[in-house]
Amino acid sequence: DQQVKQNSPSLSVQEGRISILNCDYTNSMFDYFLWYKKYPAEGPTFLISISSIKDKNEDGRFTVFLNKSAKHLSLHIVPSQPGDSAVYFCAASSSYNTDKLIFGTGTRLQVFP
Amino acid sequence: GAVVSQHPSRVICKSGTSVKIECRSLDFQATTMFWYRQFPKQSLMLMATSNEGSKATYEQGVEKDKFLINHASLTLSTLTVTSAHPEDSSFYICSASKGKQETQYFGPGTRLLVL
Repeated sequence: DQQVKQNSPSLSVQEGRISILNCDYTNSMFDYFLWYKKYPAEGPTFLISISSIKDKNEDGRFTVFLNKSAKHLSLHIVPSQPGDSAVYFCAASSSYNTDKLIFGTGTRLQVFP
Repeated sequence: GAVVSQHPSRVICKSGTSVKIECRSLDFQATTMFWYRQFPKQSLMLMATSNEGSKATYEQGVEKDKFLINHASLTLSTLTVTSAHPEDSSFYICSASKGKQETQYFGPGTRLLVL
């Protein structure tokens, strides 16, 4: 039972344009969401997070939007850069077990010149 | 930033043997370490959580006698896959955090192939 879903395994975007990565979840107990970025041969690195009390969190070129009623979140990268090419994982946790992260399957982003 | 290393990065072993994977936090003390497993085209799945000096907490469906976890110090945790079988072939990745509700920092992972 996949509680966190990333339905797009890959995404290709031109440099300078916006990248939008999507994530859906099924467990209404999730109240904290994170995005991780992973380069080949490296572990995932934390990118940005959002608590369920917010619907938007912004950090430089990265913005995460949360739609609780739709159980959907998205990561926007603008403008996209070639160095953003990586696999992006969405993860969720709940307040009763904050350390247990439930991951999606990842979306591979390719930013081309 | 916080750096977590894993060793080995890749290991091939015969069925029935045991394999030990090390996870180290290089520049911080990790109160808690986590072990994940990722099968091809699937998500990272948490196997167990370990706190320094205490027994690991295993997720449902993970055999604690098969996947032995030791967290003997604040910078080192080990995962031993005992009597490995081909179905144990997977990507094992650890993470470490400085405490509860703190950011998890991931190692680069270990690819295990059991022949």
